[in-house]
Amino acid sequence: GAVVSQHPSRVICKSGTSVKIECRSLDFQATTMFWYRQFPKKSLMLMATSNEGSKATYEQGVEKDKFLINHASLTLSTLTVTSAHPEDSSFYICSARATSGARTEAFFGQGTRLTVV
Amino acid sequence: AQSVTQLDSQVPVFEEAPVELRCNYSSSVSVYLFWYVQYPNQGLQLLLKYLSGSTLVKGINGFEAEFNKSQTSFHLRKPSVHISDTAEYYCDVSPRGGGNKLTFGTGTQLKVEL
Repeated sequence: GAVVSQHPSRVICKSGTSVKIECRSLDFQATTMFWYRQFPKKSLMLMATSNEGSKATYEQGVEKDKFLINHASLTLSTLTVTSAHPEDSSFYICSARATSGARTEAFFGQGTRLTVV
Repeated sequence: AQSVTQLDSQVPVFEEAPVELRCNYSSSVSVYLFWYVQYPNQGLQLLLKYLSGSTLVKGINGFEAEFNKSQTSFHLRKPSVHISDTAEYYCDVSPRGGGNKLTFGTGTQLKVEL
């Protein structure tokens, strides 16, 4: 079953509003989670690294005031797209890596399709 | 630091033909290696992983990959592809002994045609 749950899977919002996307690790603790953005027919683009209890690390070119990341617990990270505009429409994916024992692979959320109208 | 290169952005292949998706990496430390698959409008799921031991790793859906330390490669292969294998494939490298950062290649789109 899924070990990283992302919610919502789809959201349509009006331009100028904010949207929050949640990413939960279900059966392991994740001190670090990652947020990706994916444009149609393009590869994953790392947006930021979410660190529990501290500020997120953003990749170059990603607006930190636009994409607010909060990682308040070891199992939850949220991405808030503030004042969304149509160009923010995209597929957003979160992931976390389990680092205990043999579970070294990354687990991914199901993705969130954001459409800003 | 680690980096991953997937040389082929797209690989078209006919159904039932064999396929190889290439992945090369660079790293100053020993690494774990992974292949993930992404079907349209979905998140990624693990295909297979190399942690240690046998360099030939078998994964789900009939895929396998071989770790070649001297060539720093981890190519993915399948002897006979199916239409349902059409997807995006990502190679990932992670340093042993810690470090959570995911270092993906740019992905290879496998398109299986009739």
